[in-house]
Amino acid sequence: SQQGEEDPQALSIQEGENATMNCSYKTSINNLQWYRQNSGRGLVHLILIRSNEREKHSGRLRVTLDTSKKSSSLLITASRAADTASYFCATDEGGSEKLVFGKGTKLTVNP
Amino acid sequence: DAGVIQSPRHEVTEMGQEVTLRCKPISGHNSLFWYRQTMMRGLELLIYFNNNVPIDDSGMPEDRFSAKMPNASFSTLKIQPSEPRDSAVYFCASRRDGQPQHFGDGTRLSIL
Repeated sequence: SQQGEEDPQALSIQEGENATMNCSYKTSINNLQWYRQNSGRGLVHLILIRSNEREKHSGRLRVTLDTSKKSSSLLITASRAADTASYFCATDEGGSEKLVFGKGTKLTVNP
Repeated sequence: DAGVIQSPRHEVTEMGQEVTLRCKPISGHNSLFWYRQTMMRGLELLIYFNNNVPIDDSGMPEDRFSAKMPNASFSTLKIQPSEPRDSAVYFCASRRDGQPQHFGDGTRLSIL
């Protein structure tokens, strides 16, 4: 079952702008992760936020988590053409090793 | 530091044929995951192993699919007989306890 659902499905912005992607999930979680996938490649882990955290930063990435709304957002600031990729959120199913991925947001950053 | 290595990268075969996908996880990782990615269904977990033992195969679509992990450095996913609806990109991922999953670059499978 698809637990995480990203929104929007596709996003096109200009270089230098910020990109915000959202993720909603259905059940309780221990943590939520964001991954990036470049065309024709595997997924690459970006950042993990635990259920007791509300916000986390890593370089140009900012992730928020609202467990009361069962939602998370990923903000990429000062976007670059190299950020063009699909972005997926993933949640653990009740703390198991299994990750459930959403269908992703396809981000295009135009130079 | 070599990542997760999958082979082949591309496979085209006719329906009814046996297909074997291979994965070499990162050395020292003790969990291994097989996923399937399609446009319609997204990324689905098929099966995962911990310390070479299958833990959850509830995502394996049917008996035509099987997976093995004979040792810590090798795993296979086999489809026999293959069908056109099995066409997808198959990913292998590995991780060490408490760490994120690392993905290979996948095998793009086309069943004609």
